[in-house]
Amino acid sequence: NAGVTQTPKFQVLKTGQSMTLQCAQDMNHNSMYWYRQDPGMGLRLIYYSASEGTTDKGEVPNGYNVSRLNKREFSLRLESAAPSQTSVYFCASRGQGTYEQYFGPGTRLTVT
Amino acid sequence: AQSVTQLDSQVPVFEEAPVELRCNYSSSVSVYLFWYVQYPNQGLQLLLKYLSGSTLVKGINGFEAEFNKSQTSFHLRKPSVHISDTAEYFCAVHNNDMRFGAGTRLTVKP
Repeated sequence: NAGVTQTPKFQVLKTGQSMTLQCAQDMNHNSMYWYRQDPGMGLRLIYYSASEGTTDKGEVPNGYNVSRLNKREFSLRLESAAPSQTSVYFCASRGQGTYEQYFGPGTRLTVT
Repeated sequence: AQSVTQLDSQVPVFEEAPVELRCNYSSSVSVYLFWYVQYPNQGLQLLLKYLSGSTLVKGINGFEAEFNKSQTSFHLRKPSVHISDTAEYFCAVHNNDMRFGAGTRLTVKP
């Protein structure tokens, strides 16, 4: 099992450009999450999906959109990137009836 | 909503010394508690979790944590650290959603 995979690993964008971060899990988990990690702030939830076909806002959703394409895949889109979105982005998944989350390796995004 | 406070942002220790990383949480209801470790340029890995039962939980790599309900704490300990334990450690609390602390950077020096 690959667990949770994310692409790309690194990305540099100019202000105003758009991009989609991809996430996939092969653990048959129902719930999937997108977090951003900034120094001294831990992980903050951007969006989550409790099951296929549903998405909900987290703590910091502004400037982002998500798509739960199927049970395996959950993508995060930045429509018009801003320097404040420079961060490391993590995708995670969780199985039904459990509470621990499993994380991908992260995408390091820089917006100039 | 619950919040999580990790009391130390950085903890430097010498190899083979004991270490304690402190975590306090605020919540008016029962919660589930976790410690995650993040090695450089990697994602988070689960170290241990408390869901119910014994308040002393053991995790991977020789770490353990004690749940103290009266003090709303979940401190992480290891009796003797190795260089390879150098990493960032995150405490997390799950009620309706998961909240993470800001992290503690553990640096083990030779």
